[in-house]
Amino acid sequence: DIQMTQSPSTLSASVGDTVTITCRASQSISSWLAWYQQKPGKAPKLLIYKASSLENGVPSRFSGSGSGTEFTLTISSLQPDDFATYFCQQYNTYLYTFGQGTKLEIK
Amino acid sequence: EVQLVESGGGLVKPGGSLRLSCAASGFTFSSYSMNWVRQPPGKGLEWVSSISTSSSYIYYADSMKGRFTISRDNANNSLYLQMNSLRVEDTAVYYCARFVGGYSAFDIWGQGTMVTVSS
Repeated sequence: DIQMTQSPSTLSASVGDTVTITCRASQSISSWLAWYQQKPGKAPKLLIYKASSLENGVPSRFSGSGSGTEFTLTISSLQPDDFATYFCQQYNTYLYTFGQGTKLEIK
Repeated sequence: EVQLVESGGGLVKPGGSLRLSCAASGFTFSSYSMNWVRQPPGKGLEWVSSISTSSSYIYYADSMKGRFTISRDNANNSLYLQMNSLRVEDTAVYYCARFVGGYSAFDIWGQGTMVTVSS
């Protein structure tokens, strides 16, 4: 099975900062990587699919990059609404794996 | 409005059974693969199971094989998860999620239903 390793597990930042979260796959997954945002008590929300495509309605300050085994989610000019937990997810044939999550906290 | 609404969660004893339901609305349910994803309290997301549009292809995570059964009723826009031989470690919020093949991602999620396995 493909394992996804996300880092860091916790990230402290201030409004207006730019932050980057990394997700590494244990083997190549081409560009089959998605990013989700989750707030406490809520369902995850799709932000990015196919590594770098922005889901409809998601602000352009969110961007994704990478292919193969290393991927990044970058959030530019952090807004108060962005403080949440972020998960990556890979798709390989019929199996799906999530990263362990990165909690983005207000510094 | 595109929506998924789960139901059927609750408290069950170890070894017991529970059936979760997910009602879909606002989209052509029969055109999408559907999935269950769970999240133990305070932990990350874990994919549970997936079912193709016509139920021809069904997959499970290893720890759920032989205990959980996914099914769907396209006529009634519903997804189900039959959970047997439940264990304490199955305690989690269970989400149903729509899978978009072109995205290889889950684009619509329900609000989740809590399953607690405890004696």
